[in-house]
Amino acid sequence: EVQMVESGGGLVQPGGSLRLSCAVSGFIFSSYEMSWVRQAPGKGLEWVSYITNSGDTIYNADSVKGRFTISRDNAKNSLYLQMNNLRAEDTAVYYCVRPYSGTFYFVYWGQGALVAVSS
Amino acid sequence: AIQLTQSPSSLSASVGDRVTITCRTSQGISRGLAWYQQKPGQAPKLLIYDASSLEDGVPSRFSGSGSGTNFTLTINSLQPEDFATYYCQQFNSFPALTFGGGTKVEI
Repeated sequence: EVQMVESGGGLVQPGGSLRLSCAVSGFIFSSYEMSWVRQAPGKGLEWVSYITNSGDTIYNADSVKGRFTISRDNAKNSLYLQMNNLRAEDTAVYYCVRPYSGTFYFVYWGQGALVAVSS
Repeated sequence: AIQLTQSPSSLSASVGDRVTITCRTSQGISRGLAWYQQKPGQAPKLLIYDASSLEDGVPSRFSGSGSGTNFTLTINSLQPEDFATYYCQQFNSFPALTFGGGTKVEI
C-alpha cells in the first residue's frame, strides 16, 4: 500500500523558513518523479515544485521561484521542500504527490501539512 | 502557462441528477487533462486521466470527454457521496502545471 506522510508544517513569521518532509513507502521511490502541490485555505490547488526521480532536475512555480527548494533522498525514501522568506500568501496545506509513471496525473497524495505564515 | 477555466464555479443538484462540469483551456492540450474530486478535509482524488480514462475503482457514473480546449466531466445519477469540489488539471505546459479553479457540487 502506498503511503506518503508529510511533516514539518507549523506557524512561522513572515520572512521565516520551514522545511517540509514527506516520508513514502509502498513503492520504489527512486523510480518516480515527485511534486508538491498546495492549497490555500478555501482556495483551489496550485502546483509548487517538481523533481525528477534522480533529483538532477527541478522546476518551481513562478510564485515560489528563488524562495522554495525541492529535494529528495532516495536512500531515505523522503521528499523535502525547503521554504525560505515565507510570505502570508504561502499559507496553505502542502501535499506531497506522486504521479503515474511518465505522466503528471497525480494518483497518490499525502494527507497534507499545514503551513501558516503570520506575525 | 495554460489557464484552465471551470464552469460553473458551483452548482446545486439533487441525488439522481446528471451533472456536467466544463473545463476550458487557454490553448489546445490534445487530451492531456485530468479530473480530481476533493471532499472537505481530504486530499484530492484522481477520477479521470487522459480526458476520458476512468481511474481504477472510480464508479462508472463518472465520465470525461473532450479534446483540444474543451473538456467535460459528467456525473450520471449523482449520489450522496459525490457532493464535493471537482478540479481539472493539465500538464501540456510543463513545467507550468495548472489546475482549474474548482467546481463545488452542493445539495
